[in-house]
Amino acid sequence: GAVVSQHPSWVICKSGTSVKIECRSLDFQATTMFWYRQFPKQSLMLMATSNEGSKATYEQGVEKDKFLINHASLTLSTLTVTSAHPEDSSFYICSSTGVEAEAFFGQGTRLTVV
Amino acid sequence: GDSVTQMEGPVTLSEEAFLTINCTYTATGYPSLFWYVQYPGEGLQLLLKATKADDKGSNKGFEATYRKETTSFHLEKGSVQVSDSAVYFCALSDPGGSYIPTFGRGTSLIVHP
Repeated sequence: GAVVSQHPSWVICKSGTSVKIECRSLDFQATTMFWYRQFPKQSLMLMATSNEGSKATYEQGVEKDKFLINHASLTLSTLTVTSAHPEDSSFYICSSTGVEAEAFFGQGTRLTVV
Repeated sequence: GDSVTQMEGPVTLSEEAFLTINCTYTATGYPSLFWYVQYPGEGLQLLLKATKADDKGSNKGFEATYRKETTSFHLEKGSVQVSDSAVYFCALSDPGGSYIPTFGRGTSLIVHP
């Protein structure tokens, strides 16, 4: 199956700083990338949908100025958490979809803001 | 809108026990159905899928059958192993629609030796 590579797998940052998470599609072109946030023992919360070359579509309640998404090429999408605070600590996951609508996920990024 | 409901966990079993995790869905179109597995600290992986009614998806001893009449896609395994301990997510996606997946809340499976 298709491979989505997500980096970093974990990051610790100081409150007020920004963190960038990258997702690369290694063997296919990802026209669309989904970004999720997962709280402990909970399901995935869709944050936004990014399409290559256009602005991301954010879900209701997600601050677009805090969670900046860029999808400048067919193989790279990034999520930048700006001015991070402890409440932004979470597990962030990206995914793209195949021709049969199956999802291919990145490995996830554990963000801890101290 | 589309939705997926799966049984709440955790499901705790002894090794070699039979596993069933129930999943039902509502959808307006003709979705494909999926089970994903998430091992601790990792992203999700596709476990199996079924793209139309009566299809059976299978992988690693797990099976699920797309039942349109009962709008269900229950996950089963005849003999679980400790290594199957993970969180399992039922999901649907409509290839003819928005492609945005809809996930269930996930069911944690704990298998004891």
